[in-house]
Amino acid sequence: NAGVMQNPRHLVRRRGQEARLRCSPMKGHSHVYWYRQLPEEGLKFMVYLQKENIIDESGMPKERFSAEFPKEGPSILRIQQVVRGDSAAYFCASSRQGPYTGELFFGEGSRLTVL
Amino acid sequence: TQLLEQSPQFLSIQEGENLTVYCNSSSVFSSLQWYRQEPGEGPVLLVTVVTGGEVKKLKRLTFQFGDARKDSSLHITAAQPGDTGLYLCAGGDSGAGSYQLTFGKGTKLSVIP
Repeated sequence: NAGVMQNPRHLVRRRGQEARLRCSPMKGHSHVYWYRQLPEEGLKFMVYLQKENIIDESGMPKERFSAEFPKEGPSILRIQQVVRGDSAAYFCASSRQGPYTGELFFGEGSRLTVL
Repeated sequence: TQLLEQSPQFLSIQEGENLTVYCNSSSVFSSLQWYRQEPGEGPVLLVTVVTGGEVKKLKRLTFQFGDARKDSSLHITAAQPGDTGLYLCAGGDSGAGSYQLTFGKGTKLSVIP
């Protein structure tokens, strides 16, 4: 079985541009999570989605960031008008059951660099 | 806000040595996970512990969840170069109705051949 697939693995954007990060969960997994990892920092929760629903977005910045998980296709994390502080590794994870089991399967991440 | 403190932050040891790394919090967690992350990769789940006092073994790795479910330790016996990586602990708290895992900053382990 394929694991969690993220693309692109690396993305370079100039300040003010938009970044779109995609995530396809593992087969049979309907729960998707996005985490951000800044240099020398731990992974920080951003958002938890199920198909077509945002369940918890308490970790998402209020502006410029949005996420979706449509009925068909991958989950997308969208960052509008990127700034240098958005440079980080963005990890997507999925689980078969809900998050309370804690057993998340992570993708290899998308590394965003903002020039 | 729940926090997980991991220690030591960095650890460099010789192949064959034993080591223990720690994950501590003032908060109670309903479950705790250990992940290993290699440079340029995503975290890979090693183990989940859910019961206070629980001990799980994975080959040369022994994981323990504290009785009060606030802390955990990871012990590696006879470390090998392949054990090199960033070890992350993460806690979940279903009782708080939260959907997120709280991660520590990790222990970066280097095993020297």
